[in-house]
Amino acid sequence: GAGVSQSPSNKVTEKGKDVELRCDPISGHTALYWYRQSLGQGLEFLIYFQGNSAPDKSGLPSDRFSAERTGGSVSTLTIQRTQQEDSAVYLCASSPRTSGSSYNEQFFGPGTRLTVL
Amino acid sequence: GQNIDQPTEMTATEGAIVQINCTYQTSGFNGLFWYQQHAGEAPTFLSYNVLDGLEEKGRFSSFLSRSKGYSYLLLKELQMKDSASYLCAVNHRGSTLGRLYFGRGTQLTVWP
Repeated sequence: GAGVSQSPSNKVTEKGKDVELRCDPISGHTALYWYRQSLGQGLEFLIYFQGNSAPDKSGLPSDRFSAERTGGSVSTLTIQRTQQEDSAVYLCASSPRTSGSSYNEQFFGPGTRLTVL
Repeated sequence: GQNIDQPTEMTATEGAIVQINCTYQTSGFNGLFWYQQHAGEAPTFLSYNVLDGLEEKGRFSSFLSRSKGYSYLLLKELQMKDSASYLCAVNHRGSTLGRLYFGRGTQLTVWP
């Protein structure tokens, strides 16, 4: 079956512009995560969605970042007034696990490479 | 936050064995994952440890010692295609379910 897909695969934008990154999780997966991977850094957690619960936004680096998940499926990460330090690969992951288990294998998408000039 | 430490780079030759170490400091440890990431691709799941001991899966094995805050990934019979970044990630109790804290990754280069 299809894996996690993300679009666009690459995005080049000018400083100050807004960008939207899209994630299509694996069908039926209830949990969805956004991570950021900067050059030479580990994956940095941004935000987590689980079913209809309020998202965990504790990883968002500033109020310029926001995300939504419509209908419990597709998610969009929006970065407003982009800065050069926002340049990174943005990875989305989904998981079929809900509660009661710590074994929560996450399936990652290929990422969106964002470059802010 | 979580302190997760792993070597930045390692090299090995085809057919050899390599061990990639990962140390962590966390309160309420709730599982450790290893992922493999080829350049420009998505991370893919390799292994999961929550209890002490060795988990073997083909050419790859992963070990965990909770008392020492230590794990390693063992790769046997190395192949060229094993050249990739290996990511250690920890989940801790009390955090968002499934939220993972990642190390910076170990870039493994396998030479012929």
